Amino acid sequence: DTGVSQDPRHKITKRGQNVTFRCDPISEHNRLYWYRQTLGQGPEFLTYFQNEAQLEKSRLLSDRFSAERPKGSFSTLEIQRTEQGDSAMYLCASSPALRGYNSPLHFGNGTRLTVT
Amino acid sequence: AQSVTQLGSHVSVSEGALVLLRCNYSSSVPPYLFWYVQYPNQGLQLLLKYTTGATLVKGINGFEAEFKKSETSFHLTKPSAHMSDAAEYFCAVIDSGRDDKIIFGKGTRLHILP
Repeated sequence: DTGVSQDPRHKITKRGQNVTFRCDPISEHNRLYWYRQTLGQGPEFLTYFQNEAQLEKSRLLSDRFSAERPKGSFSTLEIQRTEQGDSAMYLCASSPALRGYNSPLHFGNGTRLTVT
Repeated sequence: AQSVTQLGSHVSVSEGALVLLRCNYSSSVPPYLFWYVQYPNQGLQLLLKYTTGATLVKGINGFEAEFKKSETSFHLTKPSAHMSDAAEYFCAVIDSGRDDKIIFGKGTRLHILP
């Protein structure tokens, strides 16, 4: 168990640029979640996958955000035309269970995005 | 939709004193409740969870929480604070109406005074 891995740890980009983050979950975990965390706030749900299927996307999420998990293993989160309000910590988590409440979420250390 | 409210964004206790972090939830169905801890520059780690059964739940690092349905609360406690407990703590609830999406509170930063 090598844990959930996120890359990069930090990303600084200029407003209007596109960015892509990667998450490698714990192997054989079929659930993968993306959350966003801003200073002084708890993690805010963005989207999650069951294997390669994206089961839900937050209604608060702009169309500029897209996530994929093409082979049911790693996932990518892309933000197009970044805005300063996108600056946050992006957290990935995985879980082995079909029903999440029976297994905890295992979080990565996050990708901190700064949009200048 | 379910939600959690954490009372107090910052809590300070002296080393060796009781730790009490408050969490209240709103739910129209039996909730599943969690406490996570986040140390600086790290991801979140599960402290404990309540699903069904015993309402007093013991977790790691000496923490425990009690589910009180009548008070819609799930407060986190530890009898004696240690300097290493300084971190941010998040209460969370399963949004059972939306298929296992975990909803987090805003967090409480715990400061330990020497």
